[in-house]
Amino acid sequence: ELKVEQNPLFLSMQEGKNYTIYCNYSTTSDRLYWYRQDPGKSLESLFVLLSNGAVKQEGRLMASLDTKARLSTLHITAAVHDLSATYFCAVDIDDKIIFGKGTRLHILP
Amino acid sequence: DVKVTQSSRYLVKRTGEKVFLECVQDMDHENMFWYRQDPGLGLRLIYFSYDVKMKEKGDIPEGYSVSREKKERFSLILESASTNQTSMYLCASSSLGLTGELFFGEGSRLTVL
Repeated sequence: ELKVEQNPLFLSMQEGKNYTIYCNYSTTSDRLYWYRQDPGKSLESLFVLLSNGAVKQEGRLMASLDTKARLSTLHITAAVHDLSATYFCAVDIDDKIIFGKGTRLHILP
Repeated sequence: DVKVTQSSRYLVKRTGEKVFLECVQDMDHENMFWYRQDPGLGLRLIYFSYDVKMKEKGDIPEGYSVSREKKERFSLILESASTNQTSMYLCASSSLGLTGELFFGEGSRLTVL
């Protein structure tokens, strides 16, 4: 059974700080996704990671994938309040896409 | 832009009622998905479909069924709604292309009384 675990599930941090969200999964996968969800809204795609060693960056967010370790990270650099949201990783196994429980990120001004 | 439209944003139903949640996508995507989202549990996959008339069970299919008669439309059916099916339901679609990225609808919040 595929399991996708995110850590931490809740994170409160000060503006300007750096932090990393971790996503571990239990079965070999070729594709990993990161999504963002704002309160009361649906999910918005952030990153698609397709191969071992893939790294993608958008603004203050950077995602990476290590398929051998079955680990992806989402790194936040110099956090700003606008990044407050819930972040989900998701793993694709034969077109079945399974999500982690999400990391609720609260950035304090 | 990809558009995934869910027919109802908010529904209130009574226990035992039959409930239909409709989802339509306009990008000719092969794959369509139904998830439910509950606080602290993230998104859980109910069913997905990779082609017309094809369906696969997700992690929590009990109490649900689906229908995909046309490529653009994927319906979630609660044959006899129960209070523990009160939730946010999210529909998504994706193509068979390289990324397989999901595009989500706005969600349907169902309350079963």
